[in-house]
Amino acid sequence: AQRVTQPEKLLSVFKGAPVELKCNYSYSGSPELFWYVQYSRQRLQLLLRHISRESIKGFTADLNKGETSFHLKKPFAQEEDSAMYYCALAASGGYQKVTFGIGTKLQVIP
Amino acid sequence: NAGVTQTPKFQVLKTGQSMTLQCAQDMNHNSMYWYRQDPGMGLRLIYYSASEGTTDKGEVPNGYNVSRLNKREFSLRLESAAPSQTSVYFCASSWQGDYGYTFGSGTRLTVV
Repeated sequence: AQRVTQPEKLLSVFKGAPVELKCNYSYSGSPELFWYVQYSRQRLQLLLRHISRESIKGFTADLNKGETSFHLKKPFAQEEDSAMYYCALAASGGYQKVTFGIGTKLQVIP
Repeated sequence: NAGVTQTPKFQVLKTGQSMTLQCAQDMNHNSMYWYRQDPGMGLRLIYYSASEGTTDKGEVPNGYNVSRLNKREFSLRLESAAPSQTSVYFCASSWQGDYGYTFGSGTRLTVV
């Protein structure tokens, strides 16, 4: 069975510092990976997906199949980046195969 | 454009009571989902509907039933609520085959 691990429940960084939110996965096939974000009192929303290879709000994430990781990075943290971040993996085989991590709370200190 | 709308936002039930959580989307998506979120466990899929007229069990379906009323609406029913069903429930939708979901704002349910 696939698994998504977000090892940090809380990550605190100072404004302007680099951010790296870790996501590791275990899956034997070719996964599709996503990052979702939930700002305070807002709904969960899709931030980016690995197949798009895009930068959203300054965040990027690269799929590293060798290390089975999909870390979310931003070079300079902003206060508005403070939120909960969830990594998700979609395995082949249907909708029941989408697995979410437990989330990491990013706190950007002014 | 409201996206995915869930009602109610909050609910307190007594053990054994029943209730239905409502979800509607206005994006013409084919697929809809119900998840529950518990501390330390991430989101877990309860039921999903790949397309209008179909529903299937997810990871944690016990104690729940669903109805895909039409393309827009997907409801989740608790027939006899139990304290273990205290959770935050999220509805989501997507195009069929797309795993990038649009979520509702959630329903915080407490069963006492």
